[in-house]
Amino acid sequence: DTAVSQTPKYLVTQMGNDKSIKCEQNLGHDTMYWYKQDSKKFLKIMFSYNNKELIINETVPNRFSPKSPDKAHLNLHINSLELGDSAVYFCASSQARDRGSSGANVLTFGAGSRLTVL
Amino acid sequence: DQQVKQNSPSLSVQEGRISILNCDYTNSMFDYFLWYKKYPAEGPTFLISISSIKDKNEDGRFTVFLNKSAKHLSLHIVPSQPGDSAVYFCAASVSAGGFKTIFGAGTRLFVKA
Repeated sequence: DTAVSQTPKYLVTQMGNDKSIKCEQNLGHDTMYWYKQDSKKFLKIMFSYNNKELIINETVPNRFSPKSPDKAHLNLHINSLELGDSAVYFCASSQARDRGSSGANVLTFGAGSRLTVL
Repeated sequence: DQQVKQNSPSLSVQEGRISILNCDYTNSMFDYFLWYKKYPAEGPTFLISISSIKDKNEDGRFTVFLNKSAKHLSLHIVPSQPGDSAVYFCAASVSAGGFKTIFGAGTRLFVKA
């Protein structure tokens, strides 16, 4: 039973199209995230929602729009796809009150969604 | 501006020996540091963390050391096993900064049998 699940796992599309990636977590966590791993392998945070409220919005083009219908779901919609959007997108979740042994905010990641824009 | 840096893209170690993965950071406000492990086609999984008030945290074969004055941390794996072959990400966060965790670029560890 997957804790954080993303769909689709692979997505190949043409420039200019609009696409969505869905994420669901069954851990009961109150915070969800989208991270982007580009060709240089850096994991960069894009957005974070806490109890359906947007709390982190990095300098991401406004073609990217996250939507959280409830605290178990965080979807990512991308308009007018560009070549540079090709990357692996990871969804993650955490429970602010459920800190690791050191007190750190521990993230649980999904398996990633590889987006290729042609 | 990369606040968390892993300068070694890869490391190769013989099975049974110690693996040492290094990480440097620039933001002195970071108060939690974490290591994640990632296998191909999977998401990163949490391995071990340390608070900035500590200088060492140990969990089985994994130990993280923190040197705040040098803004440096390291992950030691002893003894290394072939199943440890993966990409290791160093990460850091500021507890007062909400829930933002900053990741390094990762170091790929190869453990040879």
